[in-house]
Amino acid sequence: QVQLVQSGAEVKKPGASVKVSCKASGYTFTSYDINWVRQATGQGLEWMGWMSPNSGNTDYAQQFQGRVTMTRSTSISTAYMELSSLTSDDTAVYYCTRGVDRGTDYWGQGTLVTVSS
Amino acid sequence: QAVLTQPSSLSASPGASASLTCTLRSGINVGTYRIYWYQQKAGSPPQYLLSYESDSNKQQGSGVPSRFSGSKDASANAGILLISGLQSEDEADYYCMIWHNSAYVFGTGTKVTVL
Repeated sequence: QVQLVQSGAEVKKPGASVKVSCKASGYTFTSYDINWVRQATGQGLEWMGWMSPNSGNTDYAQQFQGRVTMTRSTSISTAYMELSSLTSDDTAVYYCTRGVDRGTDYWGQGTLVTVSS
Repeated sequence: QAVLTQPSSLSASPGASASLTCTLRSGINVGTYRIYWYQQKAGSPPQYLLSYESDSNKQQGSGVPSRFSGSKDASANAGILLISGLQSEDEADYYCMIWHNSAYVFGTGTKVTVL
């Protein structure tokens, strides 16, 4: 069965960076894009960008450009999302989700990132 | 004005049907989009329910009951998620999503309460 398993919760200080991992299993990792979506407490879903595990190509939402980097390791079927220059506004649960035809289907369990001094 | 607007809440009784709307901003034609629907229960990640583009081009998520169905209302420029035979386990937040201008856009979400 398809699974996306994310790394554990993180606590970071303002100005720091965080790197979240997303390990895929149950399908061919390089055949589907990986998207990243975040959700602040009590708020809606916000798309951050996507990455092609096959080519490494990426496209980021405008509001994150310059601060987010999405990478992958095909040998271990893992995608990564790194967000820099963190502020308290970046406190949220971060999800990876598999891309399909103009949408996404399977989601990781989420990673809580807390930014606090 | 948001790209996708959903009613903030909806309440219905067990066994009833609930129709959730996802209205596209004026100037964005629902007919050209594939609309995705997700269910999110408290403390859990979103779960893919279904996607709908047309009656001949739609997909149900793996293991999703057939009482969840999608459609469009062209006159209202909206996507619709219909939940038939509401159950207490359907109490959750529901989000729609489209691929628009090279970005994924989510709706504002509807909280469904089963009374």
